[in-house]
Amino acid sequence: GDSVTQMEGPVTLSEEAFLTINCTYTATGYPSLFWYVQYPGEGLQLLLKATKADDKGSNKGFEATYRKETTSFHLEKGSVQVSDSAVYFCALSQLNSGGSNYKLTFGKGTLLTVNP
Amino acid sequence: NAGVTQTPKFRILKIGQSMTLQCAQDMNHNYMYWYRQDPGMGLKLIYYSVGAGITDKGEVPNGYNVSRSTTEDFPLRLELAAPSQTSVYFCASRGSTEAFFGQGTRLTVV
Repeated sequence: GDSVTQMEGPVTLSEEAFLTINCTYTATGYPSLFWYVQYPGEGLQLLLKATKADDKGSNKGFEATYRKETTSFHLEKGSVQVSDSAVYFCALSQLNSGGSNYKLTFGKGTLLTVNP
Repeated sequence: NAGVTQTPKFRILKIGQSMTLQCAQDMNHNYMYWYRQDPGMGLKLIYYSVGAGITDKGEVPNGYNVSRSTTEDFPLRLELAAPSQTSVYFCASRGSTEAFFGQGTRLTVV
């Protein structure tokens, strides 16, 4: 079945440091890939997405590129802020044989703490 | 546009009690999901629905039931609460691409 593996945290950085959170996936076909962010005490919200190979998703200074050859979707940000402290989830959705991409598969999440 | 609304936000149950977690969405999405998130852990899919009248089990359905009589509502029922069901529960809905999540229900079973 489909699976998502992301680097386990916690990750602790100083403000303005460079961030990479690794995410690799296993899936048949051509899944869509997502990064979600969960701030303390809140639900998940979409950070960025990519629907086909070589697409780059970007939002709020975060970027991730859909690499089919390495089955990866690593999240990067050049300069993190204290306000980026949150849990980050990598996820994929798969088009099943019936043509309905109803299922979402999530990684376990990575806790990021940014110190001033 | 409220998105996905979950009620209640917090609840304490005694072992053996039952309750229903409510979830409603106003985006006319066909797909809806219930997840649980245990402390320090990722999301586990409990049940999902691909449309009104259609539901199916996820990876951890035991101890829960769902119904989907309308497109908007997807309630989750706990019949005999157990301490193992202490968790944060998230409802989500989805159209063609990304999912939208509610704010969660924090449930404690004592």
